[in-house]
Amino acid sequence: ETGVTQTPRHLVMGMTNKKSLKCEQHLGHNAMYWYKQSAKKPLELMFVYNFKEQTENNSVPSRFSPECPNSSHLFLHLHTLQPEDSALYLCASSETSGGKNIQYFGAGTRLSVL
Amino acid sequence: AQSVTQLGSHVSVSEGALVLLRCNYSSSVPPYLFWYVQYPNQGLQLLLKYTSAATLVKGINGFEAEFKKSETSFHLTKPSAHMSDAAEYFCAVTADTGRRALTFGSGTRLQVEP
Repeated sequence: ETGVTQTPRHLVMGMTNKKSLKCEQHLGHNAMYWYKQSAKKPLELMFVYNFKEQTENNSVPSRFSPECPNSSHLFLHLHTLQPEDSALYLCASSETSGGKNIQYFGAGTRLSVL
Repeated sequence: AQSVTQLGSHVSVSEGALVLLRCNYSSSVPPYLFWYVQYPNQGLQLLLKYTSAATLVKGINGFEAEFKKSETSFHLTKPSAHMSDAAEYFCAVTADTGRRALTFGSGTRLQVEP
């Protein structure tokens, strides 16, 4: 039990659909992250939120829209995706005070775009 | 800026043999270094971390890693491989200043042969 829960675990969507990924952390952390994991590529950081404020957007296309209503919840809203967006999307959280920034990950959402 | 290089995208060992997964980092400030493991269809689980205390770090499941500043390395070892160690392993770096998000290596898939 990592304390970071992602739903759904699997998602299949068409290119014209709109869907959302959800992440919830029960660890009392202040920072939350979205990563994209594609086959044969390193993990790509997408977004960072610290105390609900977005502190990093790693040049992510606008068809991905994050939302962080509070420090425990993080969403990734998806619309008009492309087949190359098919990947495992991982959420993580961490406590950034004290400098250690140990990130704890959820199990991910496996997204397939048809 | 920080970066991580993992030498060898695939490593195969026999059960009971030494496991050695290589990680070299680049960082302009003192780094914090991590090893994560990912089992199939799961998120990343923290194996161990170096955060400027002891240079030999012990983690879960019998793994350990040694921080060598002169070699800018943080190799992961385990004296005797088990079948259950088969997974993908990621080295990551961050620092106490500047960008707090983790920078990951491209991963090493460990295969354990009976």
